[in-house]
Amino acid sequence: EDQVTQSPEALRLQEGESSSLNCSYTVSGLRGLFWYRQDPGKGPEFLFTLYSAGEEKEKERLKATLTKKESFLHITAPKPEDSATYLCAVRPNDYKLSFGAGTTVTVRA
Amino acid sequence: DTEVTQTPKHLVMGMTNKKSLKCEQHMGHRAMYWYKQKAKKPPELMFVYSYEKLSINESVPSRFSPECPNSSLLNLHLHALQPEDSALYLCASSQVLNQPQHFGDGTRLSIL
Repeated sequence: EDQVTQSPEALRLQEGESSSLNCSYTVSGLRGLFWYRQDPGKGPEFLFTLYSAGEEKEKERLKATLTKKESFLHITAPKPEDSATYLCAVRPNDYKLSFGAGTTVTVRA
Repeated sequence: DTEVTQTPKHLVMGMTNKKSLKCEQHMGHRAMYWYKQKAKKPPELMFVYSYEKLSINESVPSRFSPECPNSSLLNLHLHALQPEDSALYLCASSQVLNQPQHFGDGTRLSIL
């Protein structure tokens, strides 16, 4: 059975304090690993897709990396507006996204 | 602002009511999805439409009835819901099935 585990569950950072979120997965035949950001009361906002080990994607202060068993989302010099829940999802087939439980990031000014 | 628009944003209904949720996208996407998200939990897939045809029903109770009238519109018809159906209902779309999914902001549904 496909499993996606995110850690930590919650992360409190000081503004400018860089950190990383982890997403470990077990899936038979990965067809993509996805990172989303979700703000309270909103839908998930697409950030990145990674397809193969060694791949990296960047957007502003966020950088996502992928290995054969896990993905990391690095937040460099975070700002309060980076506060959100970050969701990792794998796609075991063409249509389904299997989400992890998310990491809630709070950045204090 | 998201390019997937969901209405209404909030809905309160009794267990005997019939209501519908609406989702619209004008990005030319040919795959559309319904998800259910309970508080503090990740989204769970309910239905998948591809080229206006229902492709996947993830064993959803029949009190939820999806409809895709055209390539831009997706509805979810609700009837005789239970209190445990209270949740955020999210619509998503993608160019085709194997492309990244883009979500709307959801309808917050409360069943009295």
